[in-house]
Amino acid sequence: AQKITQTQPGMFVQEKEAVTLDCTYDTSDQSYGLFWYKQPSSGEMIFLIYQGSYDEQNATEGRYSLNFQKARKSANLVISASQLGDSAMYFCAMREARTYKYIFGTGTRLKVLA
Amino acid sequence: DGGITQSPKYLFRKEGQNVTLSCEQNLNHDAMYWYRQDPGQGLRLIYYSQIVNDFQKGDIAEGYSVSREKKESFPLTVTSAQKNPTAFYLCASSIPEQGDYGYTFGSGTRLTVV
Repeated sequence: AQKITQTQPGMFVQEKEAVTLDCTYDTSDQSYGLFWYKQPSSGEMIFLIYQGSYDEQNATEGRYSLNFQKARKSANLVISASQLGDSAMYFCAMREARTYKYIFGTGTRLKVLA
Repeated sequence: DGGITQSPKYLFRKEGQNVTLSCEQNLNHDAMYWYRQDPGQGLRLIYYSQIVNDFQKGDIAEGYSVSREKKESFPLTVTSAQKNPTAFYLCASSIPEQGDYGYTFGSGTRLTVV
């Protein structure tokens, strides 16, 4: 069965430091997409970054990068130079190739300290 | 500007009542989705629709119903059969075939049973 696992319920990071949020996935599909979303306290879901299963290079979007290790089935999010506004819930998600449905992990709550 | 509108933002329901959550998008997206979010459990798929007049059950469809009569609209009815409806409900849309384009989410409806 398809599954996304986020093992860190909560994380703290000092402002301006980098932080890594862990995500592992399980799928038997050869083609799939991996996503990270940010959810502030307002509840909206904000798309951060995408990695395709056939992409050889790690995805980057500004201060966000995705450390994709296909053999280990991991897709960790790295946030560089953390800002106070990065405090939020972060969800890892996988898109199924055939149905285009998304499966979400349970999330990691990040708190950036001043 | 294009986007997804969910209404109302907050909704209170009495025991035994049916309530309908609205989701409208003007992005011309084919696919629409309803997710439920409970604390510590991430997002779980209720129903999804990839074309007008067609929809499929997700992982937790019991006690919910949907319709897709127009491309722009995908309302969710929480019926009295749903035993624990208090949750945060998120609607999303997408162009399924578009690779690195994630979901676009609405801002959510928080439903409370009183």
